[in-house]
Amino acid sequence: GAVVSQHPSWVICKSGTSVKIECRSLDFQATTMFWYRQFPKQSLMLMATSNEGSKATYEQGVEKDKFLINHASLTLSTLTVTSAHPEDSSFYICSAREPGLAGGPRSNEQFFGPGTRLTVL
Amino acid sequence: QKEVEQNSGPLSVPEGAIASLNCTYSDRGSQSFFWYRQYSGKSPELIMFIYSNGDKEDGRFTAQLNKASQYVSLLIRDSQPSDSATYLCAAPGEYGNKLVFGAGTILRVKS
Repeated sequence: GAVVSQHPSWVICKSGTSVKIECRSLDFQATTMFWYRQFPKQSLMLMATSNEGSKATYEQGVEKDKFLINHASLTLSTLTVTSAHPEDSSFYICSAREPGLAGGPRSNEQFFGPGTRLTVL
Repeated sequence: QKEVEQNSGPLSVPEGAIASLNCTYSDRGSQSFFWYRQYSGKSPELIMFIYSNGDKEDGRFTAQLNKASQYVSLLIRDSQPSDSATYLCAAPGEYGNKLVFGAGTILRVKS
């Protein structure tokens, strides 16, 4: 159980265009999802927390107008990179918490999607 | 700001040896800890979870938690080349809904 998918697995786009990445919880309803970015040979960097039905909470230094997050349903969160530039090229990974674990010692456990590799030319 | 610290490595061990990965955390109130493994170019996957002081074993993996000293460790017995990866230690963050990840330790198992 607790499977998270992402689409697409990789995308190449031209500078100035927008790219949408989807994150889906396949066998559970995720009220909270997270978006991370990871540059080569660097650690995971949390970008934002996505809450179903409300605005995302962005980490300090992450431009909310550039990285648009929508969590319109309990199984889908999307990240749109607007006006992408080469410096936005990175590995974007989403994760989700399983509500069934809430209140227990594993309530913070995150299940990761396979990631989306974005290359901006 | 809660912090999780790991030695970035790389930690090199010969095949068949025990690999020992360490992690320290700043928040004395942290209760749960997670070890994730991340292969190059892939996303993290959970390999161990520990909540209580002491050891927890799962196959070749043993997680150790010492709350008094605020450290968590992961031992991998009979290390295999397929264990070569980055190992991430994580603890609950502020307000409990996030995880704070360490920078990760690169493990290389040489055959």
